[in-house]
Amino acid sequence: EVELVESGGGLVQPGGSLRLSCAASGFTVSTNYMSWVRQAPGKGLEWVSVVYSDGSTQYADSVKGRFSISRDHSTNTLYLQMNSLKTEDSAVYYCAGYSYGYPGYWGQGTLVTVSS
Amino acid sequence: AIQMTQSPSSLSASVGDRVTITCRASQGISSDLGWYQLKPGKAPKRLIFAASTLHSGVPSRFSGSGSGTDFTLTISSLQPDDFATYYCLQVYSYPLTFGGGTKVDIK
Repeated sequence: EVELVESGGGLVQPGGSLRLSCAASGFTVSTNYMSWVRQAPGKGLEWVSVVYSDGSTQYADSVKGRFSISRDHSTNTLYLQMNSLKTEDSAVYYCAGYSYGYPGYWGQGTLVTVSS
Repeated sequence: AIQMTQSPSSLSASVGDRVTITCRASQGISSDLGWYQLKPGKAPKRLIFAASTLHSGVPSRFSGSGSGTDFTLTISSLQPDDFATYYCLQVYSYPLTFGGGTKVDIK
């Protein structure tokens, strides 16, 4: 059974940094596409970033240059390093593992609040 | 970026009703579309991928259709567990984009 568990969310001031983690079991992070998706309060889902199986990455324009996605094969964990955080980055952040070319396995999310 | 326009944004329905949600892409996306169900505090759940392929374990009352720019999610007979928010997602090109969501609540 696949399980993805996010952690690392919390309250941070504007301009601050946070690193989110997504621990996977039953699914190999390093050999599959992995994405981060977020949902701001009262808003819809927004795709944030992807890391491909070859290690290449892509980002939404809204986070490009500020966020960085990475993974650790030894711990089977996906990360999202978030720098220069803005209030509009406040959201529940989900990690998702792909199957059949689509985000198919999801965690329950971790809440990030950017506020002074 | 490809824009996904989803309608309606909300609907009220009763158990047993047939429900239809549509998604329109701003350009052709072949059949590269998925449908997801989201409930508060829970992990999003994939229902359908490749426009019409039912994800394993998803009840057969859910179905998807369409290709190109116009897509439909149908729930043939709404059940109590189906009251949730539904999103379409195009994977034709990055950035991936979701529709705005359709909240299905109890009439």
